[in-house]
Amino acid sequence: DIQMTQSPSTLSASVGDRVTITCRASQSISSWLAWYQHKPGKAPNLLISDASSLESGVPSRFSGSGSGTEFTLTISSLQPDDFATYYCQHYGTFGQGTKVEIK
Amino acid sequence: EVQLVESGGGLVQPGGSLRVSCAASGFTFSSYWMSWVRQAPGKGLEWVANIKEDGSEKNYVDTVKGRFTISRDNAKNSLYLQMNSLRAEDTAVYYCARERPKGAVYLDHWGQGTLVTVSS
Repeated sequence: DIQMTQSPSTLSASVGDRVTITCRASQSISSWLAWYQHKPGKAPNLLISDASSLESGVPSRFSGSGSGTEFTLTISSLQPDDFATYYCQHYGTFGQGTKVEIK
Repeated sequence: EVQLVESGGGLVQPGGSLRVSCAASGFTFSSYWMSWVRQAPGKGLEWVANIKEDGSEKNYVDTVKGRFTISRDNAKNSLYLQMNSLRAEDTAVYYCARERPKGAVYLDHWGQGTLVTVSS
């Protein structure tokens, strides 16, 4: 089975910071990767599919890149609404999540 | 507007059974694969199972194989998860989610979730 490993597990940042989250696959997954944002008590939200395709309605400060085994989610300028937990996903496997906290 | 509304969660004893449901609206339910995803308290998201548009194909995470059954009723626009032989580690919020029609399990719409607690 393919394993998905995210880093870091927790990230402390300030409004306006550039934030990067990494997701590594245990074997090549081409570009079959999604990123989700999840806030407590809310439904998760699909941000990016196919590693780099931004979903409709998602702010352009979010971007995804990578292929093969290494992927990144970047938030170019962190906004107050962005403090949440972010997950990468390949088919039936999620990464363990990265919590973005206020510094 | 796409809407997914889960129901049926609650408290159940270890070894017991429970069925959670998901009512779908705002899209042609019979044209989409559907998934169940769960989140245990303090833990991350875990994909549980999915089902093909016509119900002819189903997939499960290893930890629930043989205990959980996913099903759907396209006439009622409803998705179900029958959970048997429940364990404490099945305690979680259970979300239903719609899969993007691309075969990559991209979950583009989610419900708000229903809490299942397995405890004596």
